[in-house]
Amino acid sequence: NAGVTQTPKFQVLKTGQSMTLQCAQDMNHEYMSWYRQDPGMGLRLIHYSVGAGITDQGEVPNGYNVSRSTTEDFPLRLLSAAPSQTSVYFCASSRAGRSGNTIYFGEGSWLTVV
Amino acid sequence: AQKITQTQPGMFVQEKEAVTLDCTYDTSDPSYGLFWYKQPSSGEMIFLIYQGSYDQQNATEGRYSLNFQKARKSANLVISASQLGDSAMYFCAMRATARNSGNTPLVFGKGTRLSVIA
Repeated sequence: NAGVTQTPKFQVLKTGQSMTLQCAQDMNHEYMSWYRQDPGMGLRLIHYSVGAGITDQGEVPNGYNVSRSTTEDFPLRLLSAAPSQTSVYFCASSRAGRSGNTIYFGEGSWLTVV
Repeated sequence: AQKITQTQPGMFVQEKEAVTLDCTYDTSDPSYGLFWYKQPSSGEMIFLIYQGSYDQQNATEGRYSLNFQKARKSANLVISASQLGDSAMYFCAMRATARNSGNTPLVFGKGTRLSVIA
């Protein structure tokens, strides 16, 4: 009964480094999303996926890359980290359709870029 | 596209009193859902309550109720009998539901920080 698992929970990066935030869910959910949370801004959508092999951009996609090769996993890649990407990142998943009104969030990943 | 507006950056409430957190939304989709989440200082997102656009009655979950006024496009959260543990950030969010294309991702407001005073 893991739900949505995000790793790592905390990470410090140097400007220009790359890294991948992992997100996995064991509920066979079609929908998965990545958000970033910054003070005073709420949660803003980075990328989302409605199923394996299908991804789309959200409100703030620049500097991030995603893929969805399996239903379970939805990794978020920072290609060349910048201080502006210092944020808290949340992964979320849900079913499609009416049963998708229960949305599960990971515990968050705190990323600092120096 | 959907938009959520939370106009109260911060709110104070006395313990045991009721408090209303405001949320207005904008969408052209006929079918949608409205959500409220609580985020304590530990950071996790805790689901509180859900209201569907076609639901006839306002949603309630324990001490939480959602005052849904569809014509005014508002979905205010009411917390009754506030407790110290209710001190947290509260987010209103929505998603559209289309029969053929499915749900859209959640769109969040900027949040309201609630502080409960003993």
